[in-house]
Amino acid sequence: EVHLLESGGGLIQPGGSLRLSCAASGLGFSTSVLTWIRQAPGRGLEWVSSFNDNGARTFYADSVKGRFTISRDNSKSTFYLHMDLLRAEDTAVYYCVRSPSGTCLFEDWGQGTLVTVSS
Amino acid sequence: EIVLTQSPATLSLSPGDRATLSCRASRSVSAYLAWYQQKPGQSPRLLIYDASNRATGVPARFSGSGSGTDFTLTISSLEPEDFAVYYCHQRQYWPPVTFGQGTRLEIK
Repeated sequence: EVHLLESGGGLIQPGGSLRLSCAASGLGFSTSVLTWIRQAPGRGLEWVSSFNDNGARTFYADSVKGRFTISRDNSKSTFYLHMDLLRAEDTAVYYCVRSPSGTCLFEDWGQGTLVTVSS
Repeated sequence: EIVLTQSPATLSLSPGDRATLSCRASRSVSAYLAWYQQKPGQSPRLLIYDASNRATGVPARFSGSGSGTDFTLTISSLEPEDFAVYYCHQRQYWPPVTFGQGTRLEIK
């Protein structure tokens, strides 16, 4: 079983930048599909971004494309979400999620970190 | 993009009742449909994958069925801890990853 722990959330002004981190423990990090999913207050789940399992490809939701960047460091079993040009509508709890190699089946979830974009 | 539509939005039942939740896809996703449970203040949890397979540790009262565009999550006899929000998710066509809007299962 993989355990995931997010950090880096907080209050940020519109137009600002923030980097979220997700530290993983357990087996399978380097061969996992890694994903960020967010949930605005009182709303449903929204996919943000994913790495494929070898890290060679990245995918982004249209709502964040060009503003958010996902990266990973297999040596540290950590992956990141760098968020630029933040908007009020980016306010949400951000979850890091792990899937088995080659799938986007969301087996392991972090506890989430809250990002609040407000002046 | 595959659109997933869940119904009903809210389901009010009592402990011991049978719950039936639906998820309809805008086009066929074969059997690549999963269900997640989210309790207040908690992260979502995988319940069912590939339409009918229970994830590790999920009680047998949870079952999934369907293929193509129409899927069902059934809870045979509700326990107090089952009252939560349930989301469906398809992994046949991604990106983008899509979820249903959720069904809130509340105590009547």
